[in-house]
Amino acid sequence: AQTVTQSQPEMSVQEAETVTLSCTYDTSESDYYLFWYKQPPSRQMILVIRQEAYKQQNATENRFSVNFQKAAKSFSLKISDSQLGDAAMYFCAYGGAGNMLTFGGGTRLMVKP
Amino acid sequence: NAGVTQTPKFQVLKTGQSMTLQCAQDMNHEYMSWYRQDPGMGLRLIHYSVGAGITDQGEVPNGYNVSRSTTEDFPLRLLSAAPSQTSVYFCASSYDPSRVYEQYFGPGTRLTVT
Repeated sequence: AQTVTQSQPEMSVQEAETVTLSCTYDTSESDYYLFWYKQPPSRQMILVIRQEAYKQQNATENRFSVNFQKAAKSFSLKISDSQLGDAAMYFCAYGGAGNMLTFGGGTRLMVKP
Repeated sequence: NAGVTQTPKFQVLKTGQSMTLQCAQDMNHEYMSWYRQDPGMGLRLIHYSVGAGITDQGEVPNGYNVSRSTTEDFPLRLLSAAPSQTSVYFCASSYDPSRVYEQYFGPGTRLTVT
């Protein structure tokens, strides 16, 4: 079974600065996807960014980028120019051959004005 | 499109009561799923369906039943609620079962069992 671990329960960042959220996973599969979801206080789950394991190039979406290290099974999220609206819970998730996503425990990000 | 809708938004049950959480989507998605979210934990899959008439268990299925009689609806039934089922429940859907990662989530139902 796959596992996803987020070792940082809470992180804080100053507005306009950069923060990196960590995620590690364990799998024996070679073909899979990794995701970061954002959950603001509204509880809505919002897909932030997606990475296909077969792609070497790290995914980027505007201010959000990932550092995907396949051999190390590491998948970190970098948020540049942090904004107050980035404050939320962030979940790392794994999607493999089975019909399910496996989520990490989440990291609460606080943004200080 | 309304996307994925869930009712109710909040519910309080007494131990032993039964209820059904409703989930509907209007995107003609084949894949639908139910997750629960507990404090300090990520979402855990309860049950999922890859099409009408087909359901399967996820990671934490005990205490829950599902059925999928139509493409649009995927209700989750609690037959005899227990305090351990206090959680936030999310329904999600995806167009293609092989592309389960592109899931659209509903707004969630907060359930408290006393």
